[in-house]
Amino acid sequence: KAGVTQTPRYLIKTRGQQVTLSCSPISGHRSVSWYQQTPGQGLQFLFEYFSETQRNKGNFPGRFSGRQFSNSRSEMNVSTLELGDSALYLCASSLVQGGHYEQYFGPGTRLTVT
Amino acid sequence: DQQVKQNSPSLSVQEGRISILNCDYTNSMFDYFLWYKKYPAEGPTFLISISSIKDKNEDGRFTVFLNKSAKHLSLHIVPSQPGDSAVYFCAASAQGGSEKLVFGKGTKLTVNP
Repeated sequence: KAGVTQTPRYLIKTRGQQVTLSCSPISGHRSVSWYQQTPGQGLQFLFEYFSETQRNKGNFPGRFSGRQFSNSRSEMNVSTLELGDSALYLCASSLVQGGHYEQYFGPGTRLTVT
Repeated sequence: DQQVKQNSPSLSVQEGRISILNCDYTNSMFDYFLWYKKYPAEGPTFLISISSIKDKNEDGRFTVFLNKSAKHLSLHIVPSQPGDSAVYFCAASAQGGSEKLVFGKGTKLTVNP
């Protein structure tokens, strides 16, 4: 079974631009979560989608948004990029079975804002 | 306010010995805990998890212990291997299955041959 895939793997943007990152979850997984990893803050939860609906949201400004499609693929968008948005953006998909769940992460998209 | 803390940024052990990674949490609503391993430029890899109804879970060389009264969990790796060298993250979630994970800042484990 294929793992979580994220595209692109690397991205360089300039301040003020916007960016869209894509995530394809593991087949059969309906929940997709997004995280931001920076050296100073570690891994921080952005939001989670389940069946095309945002179910959980972290403490990030409205410039960060996302969506999920009917095939469970998800995109996240960051508008008006700031230098501090430079980070590794990780997507994770999960499956809950009998109260036990695991989140599987993709390789991430390394975003650099200049 | 850091709800999940890994107070040791790094740990070094000899191959074949036990590695013990520690994690403390402050939110009493957390009821599910996970450990991940991460190599540079890769996403975290799930290792093992534990529900708050248990105090121990074992999977091969990895064992997680949970002490709810102390709000403390630990990951034991026995025996440690050089390939275990990575950053280990502890994560917690609340409400019995919420997909929102709160991560610690990680402990870098180095296993020396």
